[in-house]
Amino acid sequence: EDKVVQSPLSLVVHEGDTVTLNCSYEVTNFRSLLWYKQEKKAPTFLFMLTSSGIEKKSGRLSSILDKKELFSILNITATQTGDSAIYLCAVEAAGSYQLTFGKGTKLSVIP
Amino acid sequence: GAGVSQSPRYKVAKRGQDVALRCDPISGHVSLFWYQQALGQGPEFLTYFQNEAQLDKSGLPSDRFFAERPEGSVSTLKIQRTQQEDSAVYLCASSRQPRPNYGYTFGSGTRLTVV
Repeated sequence: EDKVVQSPLSLVVHEGDTVTLNCSYEVTNFRSLLWYKQEKKAPTFLFMLTSSGIEKKSGRLSSILDKKELFSILNITATQTGDSAIYLCAVEAAGSYQLTFGKGTKLSVIP
Repeated sequence: GAGVSQSPRYKVAKRGQDVALRCDPISGHVSLFWYQQALGQGPEFLTYFQNEAQLDKSGLPSDRFFAERPEGSVSTLKIQRTQQEDSAVYLCASSRQPRPNYGYTFGSGTRLTVV
């Protein structure tokens, strides 16, 4: 059974701090790993990673995948209160359309 | 529409009642998913449609759950004889391609509370 474990489950930081969110996974026939940001209810897409060692970057957010060690990290630099959300990690297996999600990391950024 | 639209936003059902949850995907999107998200958990897969074909329903927790997408656009998730453990947010997601390289677009969900 595919499995995704995220850590920490929650995190409180001050504005301007840099945070690293972790995602480890076990999946048969890995195809991709995705990061989503969930504010209120709708998860919004951040990154899709398929190749090991290649960093994806969007503004202050970046993510990298290590397929050998089966984990990914999501970095957020110079955090802002608007970054407060639950960050979800999910994996997709080849031959399957479904995503397996972790429980998420709840990030709270305080002024 | 501009995004994935789900209705109702909130639904309170008495235990044993039947409910129907609606998803309007983005126009032209081929793939449509339903996920169930319990409080404090990540979304869990329920079912997947490619156009009108239900290709995977392995995540439906019991035969009380039924989903359809008869014309390949709007989808309905029906839950019969609701139980308290069905209380969750039900998320719908869609994409233009069967497997996009940009993730899937989620709707804001329907929060179902069974009392």
